[in-house]
Amino acid sequence: ILNVEQSPQSLHVQEGDSTNFTCSFPSSNFYALHWYRWETAKSPEALFVMTLNGDEKKKGRISATLNTKEGYSYLYIKGSQPEDSATYLCAFNSGYALNFGKGTSLLVTP
Amino acid sequence: GAGVSQSPSNKVTEKGKDVELRCDPISGHTALYWYRQRLGQGLEFLIYFQGNSAPDKSGLPSDRFSAERTGESVSTLTIQRTQQEDSAVYLCASSLGTGEDQPQHFGDGTRLSIL
Repeated sequence: ILNVEQSPQSLHVQEGDSTNFTCSFPSSNFYALHWYRWETAKSPEALFVMTLNGDEKKKGRISATLNTKEGYSYLYIKGSQPEDSATYLCAFNSGYALNFGKGTSLLVTP
Repeated sequence: GAGVSQSPSNKVTEKGKDVELRCDPISGHTALYWYRQRLGQGLEFLIYFQGNSAPDKSGLPSDRFSAERTGESVSTLTIQRTQQEDSAVYLCASSLGTGEDQPQHFGDGTRLSIL
């Protein structure tokens, strides 16, 4: 079992605030780092798959960075909206199956 | 096209009964995975199928758990003599292949409650 840690566990922000979460993972035997968004009563939705050290990916107001040497990734949300409320999961791929963190639960209130 | 489909969406059963969960992956996806999330825990890998290769069962928590997949289509996860600790959301995912850059596409899950 590979340790994937996410922080904070939960976050409550106001609409319009920008926010970021952290994912830390083992820096050895790295294959890929995945970010998913999981809204209540829906299925987890893939946001990013990152494979290269220094990678930075962007999807609308959401972006992510990757540091494989020190074993961390940041997810940023710019100008949070209520529809961004969800649990954000990161997962470390060490072969094929994903090792998930427990997630960061984000609540954005108007 | 259709996404990953799981059934049932909810299942409540008594301790000691057997349950069978079904997953229909996205057409053309050769890789299929089962995960579960127990209350307060992260998603936990259970089993992985890739094409006609032998499945990786390393994540199955006990011999009461088994899974099958017919070719590159439907998979069933069976839990025999269910226990209360089996209560969880069981998620199925599929991907085009096993390349590390392949995202996994998840179904909505089966919420299993053991009384």
